[in-house]
Amino acid sequence: DQQVKQNSPSLSVQEGRISILNCDYTNSMFDYFLWYKKYPAEGPTFLISISSIKDKNEDGRFTVFLNKSAKHLSLHIVPSQPGDSAVYFCAADISGSARQLTFGSGTQLTVLP
Amino acid sequence: NAGVTQTPKFQVLKTGQSMTLQCAQDMNHEYMSWYRQDPGMGLRLIHYSVGAGITDQGEVPNGYNVSRSTTEDFPLRLLSAAPSQTSVYFCASSYSRQKNTEAFFGQGTRLTVV
Repeated sequence: DQQVKQNSPSLSVQEGRISILNCDYTNSMFDYFLWYKKYPAEGPTFLISISSIKDKNEDGRFTVFLNKSAKHLSLHIVPSQPGDSAVYFCAADISGSARQLTFGSGTQLTVLP
Repeated sequence: NAGVTQTPKFQVLKTGQSMTLQCAQDMNHEYMSWYRQDPGMGLRLIHYSVGAGITDQGEVPNGYNVSRSTTEDFPLRLLSAAPSQTSVYFCASSYSRQKNTEAFFGQGTRLTVV
């Protein structure tokens, strides 16, 4: 049973527009959420995170929103750039130590020039 | 600063062979973890360690052994490789003294078992 779900395997957006990537979770014990970006043949790299005590966290073009009651989070990228084309993984953590992350299956984002 | 280093990058094994995937980090992180990534799936936790001499199982530990004799190194052993262990393996580390921290990942080892 997947505890973290990314229901869209792929997403295509035009350069300059907004990209919205979604993630749902089922375990109420999760209290820290992370987004990772992954290019082919590389390891995942940390992008942005949010604690369950917040509903929004912003870092430059990237904003993560958390809706605890719906057990849903989303990553917004504005404006999208071709270099953002990658696989994005949502991950959830119980301890906040990042030693036992539970990942979603990922969303392939393609930003079209 | 190298971060998390994994070797080898690629490996082909025959069924039944054994091998060790190496992972080293130079960030003085207490926590280290091994994940595998399969097509259409996210990363799944195999084993993790909270410090030298302390390891525990993750979601998919069967067929893998780990040990942690130093803070820097966390090798993953396949005792008798099976085709189902064909995957990309990622090692990660994180800082224990900071809550709500991120994990740093290595570049991965692509393993094929034939």
